[in-house]
Amino acid sequence: GNSVTQMEGPVTLSEEAFLTINCTYTATGYPSLFWYVQYPGEGLQLLLKATKADDKGSNKGFEATYRKETTSFHLEKGSVQVSDSAVYFCALSASQGGKLIFGQGTELSVKP
Amino acid sequence: GAVVSQHPSWVICKSGTSVKIECRSLDFQATTMFWYRQFPKQSLMLMATSNEGSKATYEQGVEKDKFLINHASLTLSTLTVTSAHPEDSSFYICSAEAGVNTGELFFGEGSRLTVL
Repeated sequence: GNSVTQMEGPVTLSEEAFLTINCTYTATGYPSLFWYVQYPGEGLQLLLKATKADDKGSNKGFEATYRKETTSFHLEKGSVQVSDSAVYFCALSASQGGKLIFGQGTELSVKP
Repeated sequence: GAVVSQHPSWVICKSGTSVKIECRSLDFQATTMFWYRQFPKQSLMLMATSNEGSKATYEQGVEKDKFLINHASLTLSTLTVTSAHPEDSSFYICSAEAGVNTGELFFGEGSRLTVL
């Protein structure tokens, strides 16, 4: 079946450090891939997405590239800020519509 | 942006009672809403897909008689945990899809249920 695996957290970084959160997936067909972010006390928000192989999603300095050959969608940011502290979820959608399969989430803590 | 609101944000109840959680899309109509359950340090597990005006579609392993879902209007879906037990204690999250089959989802803040 379809599944998503993320690197375990928590991840603790200093401000301006480089961030990578690994995400790999298993799916039949050609899923769409997403990164969602959950700030403390808030609901999940879409951070970025990619709908086909080699697409790069980007938003707020975060990027992720849909790699079909490695079935990966790693999240990167060149210089993190304290305000980036949150839980990040990788997800896939294997069908049209909003049915998502999530990874377990990775907590990021950025220290000043 | 679009807003989805859940109520209550947290609830404590006694074992054996039923609890209703509401999910409302505040500024858009949602034909489809989704209910997830999240355990500590774990992923969001899809429980069911709620379709306005029709029966919900439950994921494998989810008891439909235990978790009653009603989607009576285009802006409201409810999840009722019937005869709650301590093992039902969890964080329940809903999402609403803007439009039909758009994949554009907006999430509620979640509702934490604690069953004593």
